[in-house]
Amino acid sequence: GQQLNQSPQSMFIQEGEDVSMNCTSSSIFNTWLWYKQDPGEGPVLLIALYKAGELTSNGRLTAQFGITRKDSFLNISASIPSDVGIYFCAGRPRVDTGNQFYFGTGTSLTVIP
Amino acid sequence: EPEVTQTPSHQVTQMGQEVILRCVPISNHLYFYWYRQILGQKVEFLVSFYNNEISEKSEIFDDQFSVERPDGSNFTLKIRSTKLEDSAMYFCASSGGLYSNQPQHFGDGTRLSIL
Repeated sequence: GQQLNQSPQSMFIQEGEDVSMNCTSSSIFNTWLWYKQDPGEGPVLLIALYKAGELTSNGRLTAQFGITRKDSFLNISASIPSDVGIYFCAGRPRVDTGNQFYFGTGTSLTVIP
Repeated sequence: EPEVTQTPSHQVTQMGQEVILRCVPISNHLYFYWYRQILGQKVEFLVSFYNNEISEKSEIFDDQFSVERPDGSNFTLKIRSTKLEDSAMYFCASSGGLYSNQPQHFGDGTRLSIL
């Protein structure tokens, strides 16, 4: 199956700092999603991206669909303690009925107050 | 905001027993999915379902697994004879509208523990 490389694997930052994480694939994706997962809960959708080069914001979060269509980036500005969790990227190789999303390995974010 | 609901939240089952995990997708959604997440690992795709049939499945989804939409609201995952390695969180997801590229919304999962 498709491999998504997500980095960094974990981050420890001070409250107020900005955060950047990225996801790369070996093949072209047509859709990129970013999710956040809190312990014991399901992934919650943060941002969805559908076009190469697209830059989308959701509050303090900004994500970009890489121009090569093989990568995506998520930035969090001015981090706060509730940003703690695991962030997953997910990508779909083609737009078609039922085609699966492949998930990255996750970035664990710890925010130190 | 509408959400995907899953029951039970935790299921403990003896190895070899059958288990059925239940999901109620968001009501106007047309595409349904099951994923699993082994503790500490990434989310893995199991199966997608559209128009009352499986549209795609992964190599994890072997003959021990089956899915069903028994009525207009429920979507179930059955594991026929559970193994120890089936222990994981199982997430149901749905996506809506006419276009399959719409994002998937996840339930909070069922934690399956096989003894």
